[in-house]
Amino acid sequence: AQSVSQHNHHVILSEAASLELGCNYSYGGTVNLFWYVQYPGQHLQLLLKYFSGDPLVKGIKGFEAEFIKSKFSFNLRKPSVQWSDTAEYFCAVNVDSGYALNFGKGTSLLVTP
Amino acid sequence: EAGVAQSPRYKIIEKRQSVAFWCNPISGHATLYWYQQILGQGPKLLIQFQNNGVVDDSQLPKDRFSAERLKGVDSTLKIQPAKLEDSAVYLCASSLDSWGRPGELFFGEGSRLTVL
Repeated sequence: AQSVSQHNHHVILSEAASLELGCNYSYGGTVNLFWYVQYPGQHLQLLLKYFSGDPLVKGIKGFEAEFIKSKFSFNLRKPSVQWSDTAEYFCAVNVDSGYALNFGKGTSLLVTP
Repeated sequence: EAGVAQSPRYKIIEKRQSVAFWCNPISGHATLYWYQQILGQGPKLLIQFQNNGVVDDSQLPKDRFSAERLKGVDSTLKIQPAKLEDSAVYLCASSLDSWGRPGELFFGEGSRLTVL
């Protein structure tokens, strides 16, 4: 069955620490990959997306993600987190034949001062 | 540009009652989605519309849930009768993409349903 797995459900980091959130998917064929973020009390918004081309994609607010096809992974990274990065992060995938996103369960990130 | 509008933001009902949620997508967006997000989980697709036609409703519990997008613009999602396990946030999203081209989804703030 097609699925999206996020390995860490809760992450706590101190400000300036580096962040890496794991995302793996189990789909055959071509996929489109997304990371969405939900700040407290706000709606889901797009951080970054990968459709094709350079597997290292850069998003808003200093986030980046790397698509590794051989590992079916699309991990999210940020070199130095800030308190304002406290949020829930969702990895999502869709396939060429459809458009609805299939989401992982999310990772809750808490950044402490 | 106005975002995706949803109402009501919060609703509390008793089990076996009915409830309806409304969504107005971003102007010009052809595709509209309803997702259910249960606490601690990621959003799960309930139904996807392309203009006023249903693209995917395979995960919609059709014995109690219904949705429509009559004029290809706004949409309503109805639950009747509600069960305790329907307590969740109902998210509406829209995208500009046309058939064959994946696009970014824009989400509304959601409608939080509590079933007692």
